[in-house]
Amino acid sequence: VIWMTQSPSLVSASTGDRVTISCRMSQDIKGFLAWYRQKPGKAPELLIYGAFTLQSGVPSRFSGSGSGTDFTLTISRLQSEDFATYSCQQYYTFPPTFGPGTKVEIK
Amino acid sequence: EVQLVQSGGGLIQPGGSLRLSCAASGFTFSNHWMHWVRQAPGKGLVWVSRIESDGSSTDYADSVKGRFTISRDNAKNTLYLQMNSLRAEDTAVYYCARDPMSCGGDCYSDFWGQGTLVVVSS
Repeated sequence: VIWMTQSPSLVSASTGDRVTISCRMSQDIKGFLAWYRQKPGKAPELLIYGAFTLQSGVPSRFSGSGSGTDFTLTISRLQSEDFATYSCQQYYTFPPTFGPGTKVEIK
Repeated sequence: EVQLVQSGGGLIQPGGSLRLSCAASGFTFSNHWMHWVRQAPGKGLVWVSRIESDGSSTDYADSVKGRFTISRDNAKNTLYLQMNSLRAEDTAVYYCARDPMSCGGDCYSDFWGQGTLVVVSS
């Protein structure tokens, strides 16, 4: 099983800020990484897959980078709907596993 | 529009059984692997089970193997999760999720149901 950590666990930010979230793997997963946004009480929404490919309909303020064991999600200009929890998921090996999540809260 | 509408959650005593349903619409259900993922209160997402597009292959997390059964009815466009011998640690919001058609079950999930809460408590 591949273990994942995310940092930070909590981000306090304001609308318009640039936010960066990291996801680190316990082993090389090439680029088989997805990012999700989860608003309070709602289901996860796919943002990025393949480490950097934006899912259809996702705003361009979201971007992903990285490969191997270290990955990053960047939100260039935080909008009100982006105050949520972000989770990474590896799908390089079975079973797929998720990171513990990073909560982005209003400063 | 792709939709996954879930039903069937609730409060159940330890040792009890519950069946979750996930009704799909807006896409060709029989072309996609499907997954169940759960999230305990205040915790992260955990993969539970998957089923091949035609129902011929299934897999389970070790924590639910032998107790949960995933199935699907492609004629009714519906995914199921039969949960038996429920334990307190099964308390979670359960999500059904779609695997992209190109992925063969080993992938991210591009659409999710709204989630259904299962509480196992006496």
